[in-house]
Amino acid sequence: NAGVTQTPKFRVLKTGQSMTLLCAQDMNHEYMYWYRQDPGMGLRLIHYSVGEGTTAKGEVPDGYNVSRLKKQNFLLGLESAAPSQTSVYFCASSFTSFRTPNEQFFGPGTRLTVL
Amino acid sequence: GQSLEQPSEVTAVEGAIVQINCTYQTSGFYGLSWYQQHDGGAPTFLSYNALDGLEETGRFSSFLSRSDSYGYLLLQELQMKDSASYFCAVLTDSWGKLQFGAGTQVVVTP
Repeated sequence: NAGVTQTPKFRVLKTGQSMTLLCAQDMNHEYMYWYRQDPGMGLRLIHYSVGEGTTAKGEVPDGYNVSRLKKQNFLLGLESAAPSQTSVYFCASSFTSFRTPNEQFFGPGTRLTVL
Repeated sequence: GQSLEQPSEVTAVEGAIVQINCTYQTSGFYGLSWYQQHDGGAPTFLSYNALDGLEETGRFSSFLSRSDSYGYLLLQELQMKDSASYFCAVLTDSWGKLQFGAGTQVVVTP
């Protein structure tokens, strides 16, 4: 099993460009999440999904959109990139939250720089 | 407002014991998790406490006091490979949403 994979691993964008980050999981997890991590800070939730075809806003959703057309994939889009979106982006997945110990499995991350 | 407070850095020698405290103030609380992250790597799950008390997993233990809005992670018999950042995270609702602290960098010296 590959677990959670993310594509691409690195990307440099110019201000105003768009891109899509892909997250895939092969653990048949219902829940999927997108986080961003900035230096010296913890992870902040951008958007999440509790099942195929569903998405919801997290703590810092502005400037991002998501889609979950298939259970195993969760896409994060930046329509018009800004320097403030320079960050490391992590995708995570989990079984439903009622399953203890409520472990989230993280992908390796995407390092995005916006110039 | 919502907040999770944990120390920014802790330094200890190999073989020692380290305790990382976490106090939280969140709008919802279902449980407290701990994650480990090595430089440049992905966070990995260490433990989860939904009820008061101590949970032990090998060299690591985690404690929760819901009445005090407080928990800690105890790292015993420290090894060099334990040098990493450790994050406490509160499970805030039934959809699995986690609110993370800023992290504690643990530096293990020979």
